Amino acid sequence: NAGVTQTPKFQVLKTGQSMTLQCAQDMNHNSMYWYRQDPGMGLRLIYYSASEGTTDKGEVPNGYNVSRLNKREFSLRLESAAPSQTSVYFCASNEPGRSGNTIYFGEGSWLTVV
Amino acid sequence: SQELEQSPQSLIVQEGKNLTINCTSSKTLYGLYWYKQKYGEGLIFLMMLQKGGEEKSHEKITAKLDEKKQQSSLHITASQPSHAGIYLCGADNQGAQKLVFGQGTRLTINP
Repeated sequence: NAGVTQTPKFQVLKTGQSMTLQCAQDMNHNSMYWYRQDPGMGLRLIYYSASEGTTDKGEVPNGYNVSRLNKREFSLRLESAAPSQTSVYFCASNEPGRSGNTIYFGEGSWLTVV
Repeated sequence: SQELEQSPQSLIVQEGKNLTINCTSSKTLYGLYWYKQKYGEGLIFLMMLQKGGEEKSHEKITAKLDEKKQQSSLHITASQPSHAGIYLCGADNQGAQKLVFGQGTRLTINP
């Protein structure tokens, strides 16, 4: 059971470079999320997608773009990476409204921008 | 928007002692999640609470949601080194499908 799979796990970028973080879930969930985690800050929502074809900004969307390619996949793109984007990124999915539903997280992507 | 405040932010306890972590919301909680994260790893789901007054337990960890549904507590009995990590509470933002999280509580267990 794969659950939520995100790639890459580790990445080092130079300032100004672009990259895309990939996320896929195999649980047929409608909702998918991208979070970043910084020391002492908990998880902050970057973007989320309530269903295929829709995306919305979270708390910290600046510098990021997302694509909900299909129901399974939700990618996060950094167009011009900045050192402030050094963080751990988590993708998550769930099915809101389902009784007792659980949010499933990927294992995280460690991104360093130098 | 709904904000979640966790307290304490950091906690150091002696092995075998009990401890409590709190999660307080500025608004009514519609679904409250507790997660644990080991340092440098992903998030592990612990429990989810939905109803006012609800209480759930898993092994030595008990989570409660108060009647007003604005505060949740996570209680660990007879702590062990395996309990060490970062505990995060998360909540459904008034059903708007925006899951928000507290800033986390870093728990250290001293032998």
